[in-house]
Amino acid sequence: GAGVSQSPRYKVAKRGQDVALRCDPISGHVSLFWYQQALGQGPEFLTYFQNEAQLDKSGLPSDRFFAERPEGSVSTLKIQRTQQEDSAVYLCASSSDSNQPQHFGDGTRLSIL
Amino acid sequence: QKEVEQNSGPLSVPEGAIASLNCTYSDRGSQSFFWYRQYSGKSPELIMFIYSNGDKEDGRFTAQLNKASQYVSLLIRDSQPSDSATYLCAVSLTSGGSYIPTFGRGTSLIVHP
Repeated sequence: GAGVSQSPRYKVAKRGQDVALRCDPISGHVSLFWYQQALGQGPEFLTYFQNEAQLDKSGLPSDRFFAERPEGSVSTLKIQRTQQEDSAVYLCASSSDSNQPQHFGDGTRLSIL
Repeated sequence: QKEVEQNSGPLSVPEGAIASLNCTYSDRGSQSFFWYRQYSGKSPELIMFIYSNGDKEDGRFTAQLNKASQYVSLLIRDSQPSDSATYLCAVSLTSGGSYIPTFGRGTSLIVHP
């Protein structure tokens, strides 16, 4: 498809489990961003890739969060030893340049029980 | 203090009126400014972007930027009930040589018939 694709759309995990969220950006977009959005809040920045390079990971809340984009296309956000406070919608966005408008995927709604 | 500030609302306007949404930001080096609309349970979708001081019009939408006052606004003319949504302001803030689109918490707009 032509848009940003995220999978899974919904993920339920037990506290302590590891999860992996996938993002397939628009073809040719070098910039890829991950955001976390809690209910009633705006998206909070997690991390930014330019091609395969992770240029900014200052928004990752703890060392349990890890992101990669090994070939400069698909990205995976991994959360280890999940906690209840990790429950949120995780949004992926891509753009042709970090200063250009972003295109968002539908998000992954993560629920930690 | 958050780097991008928006009044959370809700802002309630009658159908046909002009809705005015406001946003302030802290980083004088910001280059790009975006407005996204987000319906409940959906991901953000781009409405407008603006890079230069002044007004930019697109259909019923006008974005206004004042870099000296660090202020960006969105006007929606002839508001329709279908415009009821949360409006997110995003500003590209400088971070280690990159620009990171940073979001406000969003303003909830209700257009009543």
